Amino acid sequence: SQTIHQWPATLVQPVGSPLSLECTVEGTSNPNLYWYRQAAGRGLQLLFYSVGIGQISSEVPQNLSASRPQDRQFILSSKKLLLSDSGFYLCAWSVSGKIYEQYFGPGTRLTVT
Amino acid sequence: AQSVSQHNHHVILSEAASLELGCNYSYGGTVNLFWYVQYPGQHLQLLLKYFSGDPLVKGIKGFEAEFIKSKFSFNLRKPSVQWSDTAEYFCAVGLSHTGKLIFGQGTTLQVKP
Repeated sequence: SQTIHQWPATLVQPVGSPLSLECTVEGTSNPNLYWYRQAAGRGLQLLFYSVGIGQISSEVPQNLSASRPQDRQFILSSKKLLLSDSGFYLCAWSVSGKIYEQYFGPGTRLTVT
Repeated sequence: AQSVSQHNHHVILSEAASLELGCNYSYGGTVNLFWYVQYPGQHLQLLLKYFSGDPLVKGIKGFEAEFIKSKFSFNLRKPSVQWSDTAEYFCAVGLSHTGKLIFGQGTTLQVKP
């Protein structure tokens, strides 16, 4: 069966520090991968998605970037965090032919201080 | 811009009460419709989905949703809620021309035993 992992589960970082959040999927090949941010009362906002290694599409201009160095690994990064980057970050995957049926990871709670 | 609106942000019900959560979207093209649920401490997961055909779709745990094209709505219903239905519910729309999911802001359901 397929599983999705995210780490760390929680993170507290000072303003201006770098960020690296990691997401890995097991049990499937060539998944579509997604990064979302969930803000209280505002639902999920798609940040990035990837249909293959090295292929990243950005949805919202921001202080963040994403990379997909391996087929089942998706990384969310920032060189310098802003206060506004605080939030709950979710990684998701889908089978390439079923893009809307997405499977979500446990999420990372990021607090920028 | 396309958007998804969930009318109720926080709903409190007693066990055995009936539930209806509203969801409206703004998009004139072909859509695929979803309800996702996040139980306390668990991952966000798919509750039910609509692609085509019968506009009344049934999901897990006795939930159902009805697609009313003329009203751009996809309301979630359950005849009799249980305490275990306490969760956050998200409506989502898959836009055929983009292949992306647009989420509503979520509704927190609290069921009192």
